[in-house]
Amino acid sequence: QVQLVQSGAEVRKPGASVKLSCKASGYNFINYAIHWVRQAPGQGLEWMGWISPDIGTTRYSQKFLGRLTFTRDSSANTAYMQLNSLISEDTAVYSCARGSDSAFDSWGQGTLVTVSS
Amino acid sequence: DIQMTQSPSSLSASVGDRVTITCRASRGFSNFLAWYQQKPGKAPNLLIYAASTLQSGVPSRFSGSGSGTDFTLTISSLQPEDVATYYCQKYDSAPYTFGQGTKLEIK
Repeated sequence: QVQLVQSGAEVRKPGASVKLSCKASGYNFINYAIHWVRQAPGQGLEWMGWISPDIGTTRYSQKFLGRLTFTRDSSANTAYMQLNSLISEDTAVYSCARGSDSAFDSWGQGTLVTVSS
Repeated sequence: DIQMTQSPSSLSASVGDRVTITCRASRGFSNFLAWYQQKPGKAPNLLIYAASTLQSGVPSRFSGSGSGTDFTLTISSLQPEDVATYYCQKYDSAPYTFGQGTKLEIK
């Protein structure tokens, strides 16, 4: 079955960077975009952007331009998200999701990133 | 960018009730509209895509309708396990904006 497994929780100080992973299984990784969504504590869902695993095309939400980077390792069926210049407001659960014509049909379990001095 | 606005923000209903949640877009777009259910501490779960297509495995008491700017999620007979927050999302093109969510509780 389709599965997205994310890396574990991270704690960073303000100004630092964090890189999260999302490993896919159960389907052909290069055929579906991987989207990243975050959810701050007690808040709603916020779309961050996507990467196309076949050729590495990326699209970022304007909000994160300049400090967000998506990469992928197609040989390892894994997508990565790096967020730089962290601030306390970046404290959130970050999730990857498979994108298709039927929306975001599979999600990772989420990774909590805590930004605190 | 198109903004997605859900109403109500919260809702309390009794078991067996018919529940309706509305999602309004700031301007019209194609029917690439999805609904998700999120239970506390869990990842969102896709319920409806293409505005009205039920995702495989989702109970038939859930249904979606609408087009253009106005979309609706309906639960025909509310069950205790439906307690969750529900989100709409446009997924035709970037940005793939979510509504702010509707928290559904049991009376």
